Formats: sequence, structure tokens, C-alpha cells
Amino acid sequence: KQEVTQIPAALSVPEGENLVLNCSFTDSAIYNLQWFRQDPGKGLTSLLLIQSSQREQTSGRLNASLDKSSGRSTLYIAASQPGDSATYLCAVSSNNNDMRFGAGTRLTVKP
Amino acid sequence: DAGVTQSPTHLIKTRGQQVTLRCSPKSGHDTVSWYQQALGQGPQFIFQYYEEEERQRGNFPDRFSGHQFPNYSSELNVNALLLGDSALYLCASSLAQGGYTFGSGTRLTVV
Repeated sequence: KQEVTQIPAALSVPEGENLVLNCSFTDSAIYNLQWFRQDPGKGLTSLLLIQSSQREQTSGRLNASLDKSSGRSTLYIAASQPGDSATYLCAVSSNNNDMRFGAGTRLTVKP
Repeated sequence: DAGVTQSPTHLIKTRGQQVTLRCSPKSGHDTVSWYQQALGQGPQFIFQYYEEEERQRGNFPDRFSGHQFPNYSSELNVNALLLGDSALYLCASSLAQGGYTFGSGTRLTVV
């Protein structure tokens, strides 16, 4: 059974800092990994999708990497802004095509 | 291009009642997955529907059931509601090994 863990559970940084969120998974036989953003009480917004054959994906100030062999992914946020404050969720899709989530990292960016 | 649509957005039910939640997938997507998200936790996989059949199921009791229609839309039914069923219910659609697109969710409160 796929287990997904995210560290840290919460993170508070001053505006302008670069930061890294971590995600680990137990079964390396994945199809893809997806990072989502969730604002309080809202649904999930997809940030980046990395297919199993890829090593990284970039979108604006966001960069996500994937190391299947070690079961790890990182989400790098450059020049953080208060608007980046949200919960960030990592999710892994395995060979049975269902997606399993970590518990998320709650990010607060202080002005 | 319409994304994933869920209805209703909010719902209040009494213990023991039954509830039906609805989901219309993103245009072109043929797979629908349902998740339960309790406050402060990551989404938990309930089940996934493909070609009108339940393809995968998470660790949820039989009180949780679903259906997928020929137009790929889906319903989640929960019988004999418990207080612990109070949560945000998220629907996601996908196609083959592509990423998931989530709806805004239905907030269910059981009193």
C-alpha cells in the first residue's frame, strides 16, 4: 500500500525567502506525482504534474523534482509571497491509477 | 472549458439520514475518483469509477457507495450518516495516466 509523507507539517517564512517542501513515498512504482495547493475550505488546485519518466517540472516560481528510486519529491518556491500562503499537498498515482495524498504542509508567508 | 463541477456546495444532514453528492467531470475525462477530507488532514481515497464500474476502493465501509453514468458523471451515496462523516468531499476526474482535476468540493455537516 502506498504511503505518502510530507515534511514539515507547517512552515512559516518571511516574504521573499526561497523554500523547499518535501514529499516521500514508499512504493517507487508510480505513474506520476502531482503537487496541489489548497486554500482553507476550498478544493485543490493543481500546481505541477511530473510523469514517472520525468525528473522535474517548472511553472513560474515553482519547481518540482522527482527521484523515483529514492521515493522523494521536492517543491521549490522561489521568492515567496504572502499570496503563497496555503496548504500544499503531494499526491502519487500508482499502478492501480488511484491517487494517494500526504497530509500536506501548511505554509505561511509573513509580509 | 468547464472543469469539475460538484453539487451541492454545502449540506447539513441529521445522523442516520442518507445523502447523495454529485460530480460532473472535466470535459474529455472518463475516470472519476472520490475523496473524503477531514479538517486538517489530507484527502482520503474513497473509490474510483471507470466505465461505469468501481475500479478501486479505499478503506471505507459499505455505507459509502457510488455510481457512474454513461456521460461519465458520478454520484457518491452515504447511508446511515454518522457524526464522523462530516467532512469536505472532493471529486476528481482524470484520463488514463494523466493528472487529476479536482472540483471545489461539497462540505457535509452531520448533526
